[in-house]
Amino acid sequence: DAKTTQPPSMDCAEGRAANLPCNHSTISGNEYVYWYRQIHSQGPQYIIHGLKNNETNEMASLIITEDRKSSTLILPHATLRDTAVYYCIVRLKAAGNKLTFGGGTRVLVKP
Amino acid sequence: SAVISQKPSRDICQRGTSLTIQCQVDSQVTMMFWYRQQPGQSLTLIATANQGSEATYESGFVIDKFPISRPNLTFSTLTVSNMSPEDSSIYLCSVTVSVDTGELFFGEGSRLTVL
Repeated sequence: DAKTTQPPSMDCAEGRAANLPCNHSTISGNEYVYWYRQIHSQGPQYIIHGLKNNETNEMASLIITEDRKSSTLILPHATLRDTAVYYCIVRLKAAGNKLTFGGGTRVLVKP
Repeated sequence: SAVISQKPSRDICQRGTSLTIQCQVDSQVTMMFWYRQQPGQSLTLIATANQGSEATYESGFVIDKFPISRPNLTFSTLTVSNMSPEDSSIYLCSVTVSVDTGELFFGEGSRLTVL
């Protein structure tokens, strides 16, 4: 799996958009970008994934650059409950391919 | 989706003893994985639990220390053997449900403290 680089931590204001960057310059053509988050004392939770196109769901938006070497997870209106560690992971999509977690970004949403 | 139940949710263990963690899923799943999360750290994959055959271990993890069983498509166990304080961690079970999404679901974890 391609490695990812994320800032170790970031703060954001409640109600504002949180933009979480991720670099994955060695990503291969058939690898997807996945985002998970881990709220304190819970197991990781899937947020979103994408290959080339931007994706949006009820939780977040994923913006992938045209060269696919980086991406940004956007939480449109951050709440205090979004405080968590966010992991950007690049992997093949097929079942059986495990997740390799990096250090993630520790996001603190402040009132 | 999948609902994963892990037992125990937490335990305090004595050095040299062994503990078995159970992972029960509410539906049949294709793949099951076991992860470890040491205090303040990210998650590290221990092994893939294979139904009906020996688990596939990641580098640095061995069967004698972390024996795994998976008797069917909804259940797996991880044993942490001959525990030392360095084994104090959260152990998480994870499953794959959909080939289409490749999404993994995680249990809430089992927090072990070894004294």
